[in-house]
Amino acid sequence: GAVVSQHPSRVICKSGTSVKIECRSLDFQATTMFWYRQFPKQSLMLMATSNEGSKATYEQGVEKDKFLINHASLTLSTLTVTSAHPEDSSFYICSVSDRVMTGELFFGEGSRLTVL
Amino acid sequence: QQQVKQSPQSLIVQKGGIPIINCAYENTAFDYFPWYQQFPGKGPALLIAIRPDVSEKKEGRFTISFNKSAKQFSLHIMDSQPGDSATYFCAASISAGGTSYGKLTFGQGTILTVHP
Repeated sequence: GAVVSQHPSRVICKSGTSVKIECRSLDFQATTMFWYRQFPKQSLMLMATSNEGSKATYEQGVEKDKFLINHASLTLSTLTVTSAHPEDSSFYICSVSDRVMTGELFFGEGSRLTVL
Repeated sequence: QQQVKQSPQSLIVQKGGIPIINCAYENTAFDYFPWYQQFPGKGPALLIAIRPDVSEKKEGRFTISFNKSAKQFSLHIMDSQPGDSATYFCAASISAGGTSYGKLTFGQGTILTVHP
């Protein structure tokens, strides 16, 4: 069964609006979650590491004021794309680590964001 | 140093063939090497992973070969089927604690097509 759940799977919004994407860990508590972005026909690029109860760690070149991450519980992290623009249109995917058992990373089904 | 180089970019085989996808890395601190399969519009799914203390790992029709001295690893798919047609990504991370834990660096991806 699914280990990670993402919602929504698809979202279309107007330029200038904000969009929130949820990532839930279903099988275990996750103190750390990871957010990736994937442009069409490209690889996945890590955006940020979401830490439960503390600030997220952003990769170089990722605007933390634009991509707000909240990790309020051990099973939920949210990514909010603020003041979205067409260039933010992408596939956003979260992942969760089974750090205790295997250290393996499991990915959600992704959220396709289209900004008009 | 953080790059993972993957080849080929695309691969076409006949049903029953054995496609081989190769990856090379530079950072000797990497100690976890997973392979992911991704279908269009879906998140990547973990196929198989290896750590540097073994040279080969098999899981069903999937085999990883690992060459630590050459800093290379490859995925072999035995008896390939049309249902294996997907994009395959290699990745690498540092799993042993520290700030890099769980942060995957992905290869560029290989689009595999298996003809019936």
